[in-house]
Amino acid sequence: EVQLVESGGGLVQPGRSLRLSCSASGFTFDDYAMHWVRQAPGKGLEWVSGISWNSGSIGYADSLKGRFTISRDNAKNSLYLQMNSLRTEDTALYYCAKGTTVTTVAGGPDYWGQGTLVTVSS
Amino acid sequence: QPVLTQPPSSSASPGESARLTCTLPSDINVGRYNIYWYQQKPGSPPRFLLYYYSDSDKGQGSGVPSRFSGSKDASANTGILLISGLQSEDEADYYCMIWPSNAGVFGGGTKLTVL
Repeated sequence: EVQLVESGGGLVQPGRSLRLSCSASGFTFDDYAMHWVRQAPGKGLEWVSGISWNSGSIGYADSLKGRFTISRDNAKNSLYLQMNSLRTEDTALYYCAKGTTVTTVAGGPDYWGQGTLVTVSS
Repeated sequence: QPVLTQPPSSSASPGESARLTCTLPSDINVGRYNIYWYQQKPGSPPRFLLYYYSDSDKGQGSGVPSRFSGSKDASANTGILLISGLQSEDEADYYCMIWPSNAGVFGGGTKLTVL
């Protein structure tokens, strides 16, 4: 059974940084791309970032303007999202999701974690 | 990034079919892309339903019933999710997604009400 467990969310002040983690199990982690998707309270889904199996292909949403960095550690079956210069509009539930592709990012996720809530507020 | 247009709401009665649409901007040809569909119920993460490129290139999510199916209307530049034999448990938000580049794009979502 595929399991994705996010952690690292919390309350943070504008301008500060936060690092999210996702622990994966139930599948061969380094066989798939991975993604972060967020959902602001009461709003729709927004794709944030994706990374291929070997980190050779990485994509980001244009709206992030270089503030976020995705990474993965295949030895630890873990995905990360480093979020810098956080803004109030980054407040959202952040989901870790398993991709359906290997060498590219471009493919919709098929399994999702329960999400970790990030609240950016002074 | 492009905007995918989904009607904010739709409704249908149990047993009927629901046809949910995802319209691409005119500069993006629906025929060139996989259309991914997700279902989300309140308080739960999204669930992958299916992807559709063509009748010979499509895929169903794990455990997703065959009454969920995808198609395209090239004349309207639209991806379509068809849910037949509607059940009360199908009441949810539905999102489409495409990959026009190395970045994914979701539609705004459609709230489906089963009357």
